[in-house]
Amino acid sequence: RKEVEQDPGPFNVPEGATVAFNCTYSNSASQSFFWYRQDCRKEPKLLMSVYSSGNEDGRFTAQLNRASQYISLLIRDSKLSDSATYLCAVNNRKLIWGLGTSLAVNP
Amino acid sequence: DTGVSQDPRHKITKRGQNVTFRCDPISEHNRLYWYRQTLGQGPEFLTYFQNEAQLEKSRLLSDRFSAERPKGSFSTLEIQRTEQGDSAMYLCASSSGQLLYEQYFGPGTRLTVT
Repeated sequence: RKEVEQDPGPFNVPEGATVAFNCTYSNSASQSFFWYRQDCRKEPKLLMSVYSSGNEDGRFTAQLNRASQYISLLIRDSKLSDSATYLCAVNNRKLIWGLGTSLAVNP
Repeated sequence: DTGVSQDPRHKITKRGQNVTFRCDPISEHNRLYWYRQTLGQGPEFLTYFQNEAQLEKSRLLSDRFSAERPKGSFSTLEIQRTEQGDSAMYLCASSSGQLLYEQYFGPGTRLTVT
């Protein structure tokens, strides 16, 4: 089993849709969790750090479920500009990454 | 611009040549990380430094790879006797080592070995 697993997608959604990504991790001792956004041939950019109580930033909501060892990212009212790959990362002294989930938001 | 910078942005080299990449982290960050990413994959950890000390190195990293951070500021990653399988994006990230250890990435160096 991989340390961090994501559904690779692709997810194709219309503008305005709500889309959710999940990411599971295998190491129960993992310390912190992140969602990054990566555009084609660019570096990953930190989107959200995931706090134990869940956190929200505008249209984006991240949640952590330690008991089931997964994190989630919810995007509401999706925009064309949200089209990208979304990577989850789990910190065990270094970041362990999922493969990323590709999102295409269509007009 | 106070973000992470990397140089060069692109490098094309012939198989067997040596290459060296540079990373300048965010100035107040004491942790520096190197990752490698190929198409369709997430970044793969290579090594990381806390100040000038190299604390961890991936066992996937062959002896042809070496990294330094001599004064705890910028870092270099050298690949000796490059192979076609080394073609990838090499990403550098830095972190303050506080709170959740959030890492911020530079634009990467894209290496093509011909």
